[in-house]
Amino acid sequence: GQNIDQPTEMTATEGAIVQINCTYQTSGFNGLFWYQQHAGEAPTFLSYNVLDGLEEKGRFSSFLSRSKGYSYLLLKELQMKDSASYLCAVRDSNYQLIWGAGTKLIIKP
Amino acid sequence: EPEVTQTPSHQVTQMGQEVILRCVPISNHLYFYWYRQILGQKVEFLVSFYNNEISEKSEIFDDQFSVERPDGSNFTLKIRSTKLEDSAMYFCANLPHPEVPYEQYFGPGTRLTVT
Repeated sequence: GQNIDQPTEMTATEGAIVQINCTYQTSGFNGLFWYQQHAGEAPTFLSYNVLDGLEEKGRFSSFLSRSKGYSYLLLKELQMKDSASYLCAVRDSNYQLIWGAGTKLIIKP
Repeated sequence: EPEVTQTPSHQVTQMGQEVILRCVPISNHLYFYWYRQILGQKVEFLVSFYNNEISEKSEIFDDQFSVERPDGSNFTLKIRSTKLEDSAMYFCANLPHPEVPYEQYFGPGTRLTVT
C-alpha cells in the first residue's frame, strides 16, 4: 500500500529553526510537495522536489532523498504566523497526490 | 494572481439530501481535482477530471458522487444522498497539466455539514 509518515505535532520557539520529516512508500514517484495549511483553510503550496537535494525558498527549504524515501521541510527564523499544519504529499505513478496526515507546528514566544 | 473560487463556503444539509458544490477554476488550467478533508484528518483524493471525463477516482468516490463541467467553466461535485460521514471540507484544485512540475492550485474549500 501507499504510506506517508510525518510526526503528528511539533513545538518550536519563535526565531528558532525547525525540521519536519516525511518518509514515504508509494507506487512510483513523480515529485514531493510540501503544503502549509492553517485551520479551516485550504492547503497552500510551499515547495516541490523531484530530484535529490535541497531546494531553498526564502525562510523555507525542502530536502529530498529518493533512495531513502525521505524528505524534510526546514523552517528558519520562525514567526508566530508559521503556526500551522505542514502537509507532505507525494505524486505517484498515476500523477495523483498521496497525502500525509500533516504535522501540526506550534510556535511559542 | 489567478485564483480558484468555490461556492458555497459553507453548506448545511440534512441526511439524504442532494448537494452540489461548485468550483470556478483558473481559466487555462485543464486538469481538475476534488479532495475532501474530514475535520482533523488527512486530505483525501476523490476524483480527477480532464477533457470532460473522469481520469481517476478513489474508493471514496462511489455511485453517490458525480462530477460535471456543465458550462465549460464551472466544475461541480454532486453528492446524491448525503450521509453524516460526508461532513467535511471539500477542496477543488486544478493545474495546467499533471506531468509538469506545477503545484495544484486549491480553492478555499466548501465546508459541508450533514445533520
